[in-house]
Amino acid sequence: DSGVTQTPKHLITATGQRVTLRCSPRSGDLSVYWYQQSLDQGLQFLIQYYNGEERAKGNILERFSAQQFPDLHSELNLSSLELGDSALYFCASSLQTGTSGRAKANEQFFGPGTRLTVL
Amino acid sequence: GIQVEQSPPDLILQEGANSTLRCNFSDSVNNLQWFHQNPWGQLINLFYIPSGTKQNGRLSATTVATERYSLLYISSSQTTDSGVYFCARGDGNNRLAFGKGNQVVVIP
Repeated sequence: DSGVTQTPKHLITATGQRVTLRCSPRSGDLSVYWYQQSLDQGLQFLIQYYNGEERAKGNILERFSAQQFPDLHSELNLSSLELGDSALYFCASSLQTGTSGRAKANEQFFGPGTRLTVL
Repeated sequence: GIQVEQSPPDLILQEGANSTLRCNFSDSVNNLQWFHQNPWGQLINLFYIPSGTKQNGRLSATTVATERYSLLYISSSQTTDSGVYFCARGDGNNRLAFGKGNQVVVIP
């Protein structure tokens, strides 16, 4: 168990719908990352938050948005869903953001993922 | 962008055999991690290894940052080692770029 929790584990929905994925980081971790794993694109970084603020964006569609709350949990919102959005969505957390010189402060731990199926 | 290449893409091992997985990356490294994705999809941390050598049981890893590669060694493989092994390199913001993975099947 990595200490990162994600809900729900599975989500089945229809095209055009909107869903929210939730993540709680490991205790003490300030940075949260979202990744998408699909068959054609592999594992891709979507977005990163640190202590409530957006830090970096990757290949995240405009239909997708995220936020990190004061208690450090994060939510990823996916709207106007398309068939191609079907994927495994992972949340990860780390103590720091990458600028820390402390050993292993940048190590990321992954949650179990949310498997999204869009029909 | 940052490129991470893993080889070999697929590997079939007899139980008890040893193997080496390789990860080449295109830029300097702040963070280098190896993961094992099990058949249930979970990403399990194996090593955080931006440089040097580490060992954990039958697994060990070496990263030579100056030559931009990392190796994962599996010794005395077991069927539970089956799955996909991912190498991921972190940039200055700690965003991980993943390779396509090494699909390992260990047969009894």
